Amino acid sequence: DSGVTQTPKHLITATGQRVTLRCSPRSGDLSVYWYQQSLDQGLQFLIQYYNGEERAKGNILERFSAQQFPDLHSELNLSSLELGDSALYFCASSLLQGGNEQFFGPGTRLTVL
Amino acid sequence: AQSVAQPEDQVNVAEGNPLTVKCTYSVSGNPYLFWYVQYPNRGLQFLLKYITGDNLVKGSYGFEAEFNKSQTSFHLKKPSALVSDSALYFCAVRADRTYKYIFGTGTRLKVLA
Repeated sequence: DSGVTQTPKHLITATGQRVTLRCSPRSGDLSVYWYQQSLDQGLQFLIQYYNGEERAKGNILERFSAQQFPDLHSELNLSSLELGDSALYFCASSLLQGGNEQFFGPGTRLTVL
Repeated sequence: AQSVAQPEDQVNVAEGNPLTVKCTYSVSGNPYLFWYVQYPNRGLQFLLKYITGDNLVKGSYGFEAEFNKSQTSFHLKKPSALVSDSALYFCAVRADRTYKYIFGTGTRLKVLA
């Protein structure tokens, strides 16, 4: 158990809908990262927050947004969902901004029908 | 631009034999290099990292990796493979001036009894 929790475990929704994925980092970790893992694109870095502030952006679509709250938990919002958004979404946390190993949560499997 | 290449989709090795999983990278500046392992239906787990110092890095579960600056490689190795090492292995890189992490496409390791 990495200490990172993600909810929900599974999510099934329809095209055009909006969903929110939640992540609680390990106790004491200030950085949160979001990744998308799909069969055809591998593991894609989406976005990183450090202590409430956005630090780095990867291949995150404009339909997606994220934030990190004062209690350090983070939410990833996905809107106007398309079939291609079906994937496993991982959250990871680390103590500092960079150079540290990341601890990954178990993931949220999103299925868009 | 940053990139990571894992040239082999799959590596098969007999139990007890040494294993190597290859990774090459391209970054500007000094690289921060990581190896992670993913077991089925689980999040990624950190194995080892190189930031600076000795080129041979030792990590979890008997794995080690060698940083080679001239060849821009960071191959993962283990002297004697176990069947339980069978999993998906990811190499990742972060350039020292950014907070973006780039993951390779993953190499599936199969250790045969």
